[in-house]
Amino acid sequence: QKEVEQDPGPLSVPEGAIVSLNCTYSNSAFQYFMWYRQYSRKGPELLMYTYSSGNKEDGRFTAQVDKSSKYISLFIRDSQPSDSATYLCAPSPMDSSYKLIFGSGTRLLVRP
Amino acid sequence: SQTIHQWPATLVQPVGSPLSLECTVEGTSNPNLYWYRQAAGRGLQLLFYSVGIGQISSEVPQNLSASRPQDRQFILSSKKLLLSDSGFYLCAWSGLSGRGNQPQHFGDGTRLSIL
Repeated sequence: QKEVEQDPGPLSVPEGAIVSLNCTYSNSAFQYFMWYRQYSRKGPELLMYTYSSGNKEDGRFTAQVDKSSKYISLFIRDSQPSDSATYLCAPSPMDSSYKLIFGSGTRLLVRP
Repeated sequence: SQTIHQWPATLVQPVGSPLSLECTVEGTSNPNLYWYRQAAGRGLQLLFYSVGIGQISSEVPQNLSASRPQDRQFILSSKKLLLSDSGFYLCAWSGLSGRGNQPQHFGDGTRLSIL
């Protein structure tokens, strides 16, 4: 079993839709949870950074962590064509290794 | 503000040739530095990370090596490239924190093709 799993997509939605991107993980030591957005031929860009369970909101983006289920979600409200990208979840343990474990990413297409 | 630079953006090399990819960070001191490889349609694989000058940790056995000659410079090298070394190479940095991990920030990568 992979440590972090994401549905590869592509997920295709119309402009203005609410998007739900999900990620499951197997390591209960993960304490920090990050979401990155990656446009084609570019490096990943940090979107959200959360610690432990609960919700965190930033503009149109909401990150949700359920540690009991080992389930992470990223919600995008009022999706725009510019949101079309690959979204990577990256949990990390609380230790001194500073390592992130990346999912393989979900490709999102927002149709105008 | 902090910025990270990687070059070149694209590189085509013959099998058996040497490689040197460079990454520099500006606007921060004593960052943690990372090299990743991303295969098409796949996640990021950590290759090396460094917590200080001359301190390199290797995550996977491979044909590549890394060096950190200066605080904000990280170099990925190979003496003889293999076809399997093709991929998208990303450099990243993170700050230090007394409480757990800091998020990593990425450069725009080098797309390496081996012929």
